Amino acid sequence: DQQVKQNSPSLSVQEGRISILNCDYTNSMFDYFLWYKKYPAEGPTFLISISSIKDKNEDGRFTVFLNKSAKHLSLHIVPSQPGDSAVYFCAAIFNFGNEKLTFGTGTRLTIIP
Amino acid sequence: NAGVMQNPRHLVRRRGQEARLRCSPMKGHSHVYWYRQLPEEGLKFMVYLQKENIIDESGMPKERFSAEFPKEGPSILRIQQVVRGDSAAYFCASSFDRLAKNIQYFGAGTRLSVL
Repeated sequence: DQQVKQNSPSLSVQEGRISILNCDYTNSMFDYFLWYKKYPAEGPTFLISISSIKDKNEDGRFTVFLNKSAKHLSLHIVPSQPGDSAVYFCAAIFNFGNEKLTFGTGTRLTIIP
Repeated sequence: NAGVMQNPRHLVRRRGQEARLRCSPMKGHSHVYWYRQLPEEGLKFMVYLQKENIIDESGMPKERFSAEFPKEGPSILRIQQVVRGDSAAYFCASSFDRLAKNIQYFGAGTRLSVL
């Protein structure tokens, strides 16, 4: 039962353009969401997060949008740079007291120079 | 400020042997989490520990797998009598506190190959 879904296994974007990565979840009890970036042979690196009480959080080139009614979040990267090429994982946490991250299956982003 | 350290980075075992994976959390972090990533899949939660306590082991297989986080020393994930299906990347993460949804920081992982 995949509670966090990333339906696009891969995405290619021209350098300088906007990259949009999508994530859907099924459990309305999730109340905190995170995006991690992963290079081959390395561990995931935290990028940005958002609480369910917000609909947007921005950090430099990265913005995360949350649509609770649609159970959907997205990560926008603008402008996209070659170093952004990696696998991006969406993750979610249940209500306070349950600390395990539930991950999506990832989207491989390739930035084309 | 060293990050989460995992060793070994690569571990090869034959079926039936034991595998021990070690994780030292970031300095000042007292919460440790273990995740497993099978090929072409996302990371799956296994166990959450604080010093000397297992808080949540709902993702651990019922047999052959155990974890500990002693008062002194690293956290250990132990897999007894390994089988081919245990081949995966095992990631450890640590956080400062369980409150306020503290971010989990990940190590580089241990890649276990079972022959």
